[in-house]
Amino acid sequence: KNEVEQSPQNLTAQEGEFITINCSYSVGISALHWLQQHPGGGIVSLFMLSSGKKKHGRLIATINIQEKHSSLHITASHPRDSAVYICAVRSVGGATNKLIFGTGTLLAVQP
Amino acid sequence: NAGVTQTPKFRILKIGQSMTLQCTQDMNHNYMYWYRQDPGMGLKLIYYSVGAGITDKGEVPNGYNVSRSTTEDFPLRLELAAPSQTSVYFCASSYSLASRLFFGSGTQLSVL
Repeated sequence: KNEVEQSPQNLTAQEGEFITINCSYSVGISALHWLQQHPGGGIVSLFMLSSGKKKHGRLIATINIQEKHSSLHITASHPRDSAVYICAVRSVGGATNKLIFGTGTLLAVQP
Repeated sequence: NAGVTQTPKFRILKIGQSMTLQCTQDMNHNYMYWYRQDPGMGLKLIYYSVGAGITDKGEVPNGYNVSRSTTEDFPLRLELAAPSQTSVYFCASSYSLASRLFFGSGTQLSVL
């Protein structure tokens, strides 16, 4: 079992829909990152959080440390939100520089 | 603002050839990383550096070497390319372990 699991793996939505992508992890962490990767493009950091909730524009990220779970929400989705969304956790103990990445959620927003 | 600059974007190598992937950042970040991304897999850490003159192995270092002679530059060297090294490579940097990551645009490498 992977230490970081994302769901769903693939998601198709209609423009304007509210979208939720989930990330569950099984290790102790100091921080969790949400990243965005456009097809053929680079990777952009959306959020880094260790507790609570962060909001940037139409994007909201939440984390529940006790439940080892994080969600990324997109409100009023738009075709330009189509991308792969990657969750990554910085584990505590062991290799201090280790980021463990999920395999990503491929989101397609149709007009 | 350049951020993290990674070159080349694409490269095809023959088995046994060598090459260097270049990575430069202009944000005065201490931490720099090299990752590889394979289809259906999460990014895997190849090597990282916590400052000039200091490098260490990540999860998948075999077949690669790095150096960090300056804060800005962190090149990745493939000495004897193998088909298993076909992948997309990303360089990244951060100010500290508790900071956001900044990624380069990636290098798509094929070894044939």
